[in-house]
Amino acid sequence: DAKTTQPPSMDCAEGRAANLPCNHSTISGNEYVYWYRQIHSQGPQYIIHGLKNNETNEMASLIITEDRKSSTLILPHATLRDTAVYYCIVRVSSGNTPLVFGKGTRLSVIA
Amino acid sequence: SAVISQKPSRDICQRGTSLTIQCQVDSQVTMMFWYRQQPGQSLTLIATANQGSEATYESGFVIDKFPISRPNLTFSTLTVSNMSPEDSSIYLCSVAGALKAEAFFGQGTRLTVV
Repeated sequence: DAKTTQPPSMDCAEGRAANLPCNHSTISGNEYVYWYRQIHSQGPQYIIHGLKNNETNEMASLIITEDRKSSTLILPHATLRDTAVYYCIVRVSSGNTPLVFGKGTRLSVIA
Repeated sequence: SAVISQKPSRDICQRGTSLTIQCQVDSQVTMMFWYRQQPGQSLTLIATANQGSEATYESGFVIDKFPISRPNLTFSTLTVSNMSPEDSSIYLCSVAGALKAEAFFGQGTRLTVV
């Protein structure tokens, strides 16, 4: 799986959009970009994933650059409950391969 | 989505003893994955458990220390053997969702070895 690079930490004001970047310059053509988050003392939670088109669901939006070498997870209106560690993971879309976690970005949403 | 029940949620154990962690899924799954999360760190994959065959371990993890059972398609156990304080971590099991695109995690077992 391709390696990802994320900033170790970010702050965001409550109610504002949180934009979390991820670099994955060695991504292969058949690899997807996945985002998970881990709220303190809980198991990781799936947020969103995409291949090359931008994706949106009830939790977030995922913007992938045209060359697919980087992406941004957007939480449109961050709340205190969004404080968590966010992991960007690149892998093929298969249930038979495990997720490989990097260090992630610790997002702190501030009132 | 898959619902995963992990037991125990936490435990405090004496060094030299062993602890078996159970992972129950509400649907049949082919692969189950076990992770370790040391304090303040990210998740590290321990092994992949496939029903009907021996688990596949990642580099740095061995079967004698972390034996895994996978008796059926909804259940798995991970044993942490001959524990030392360095084994104090959160242990999590994970499965792929029905659509295979996403993974689901148990709430984890917080282990403290004293």
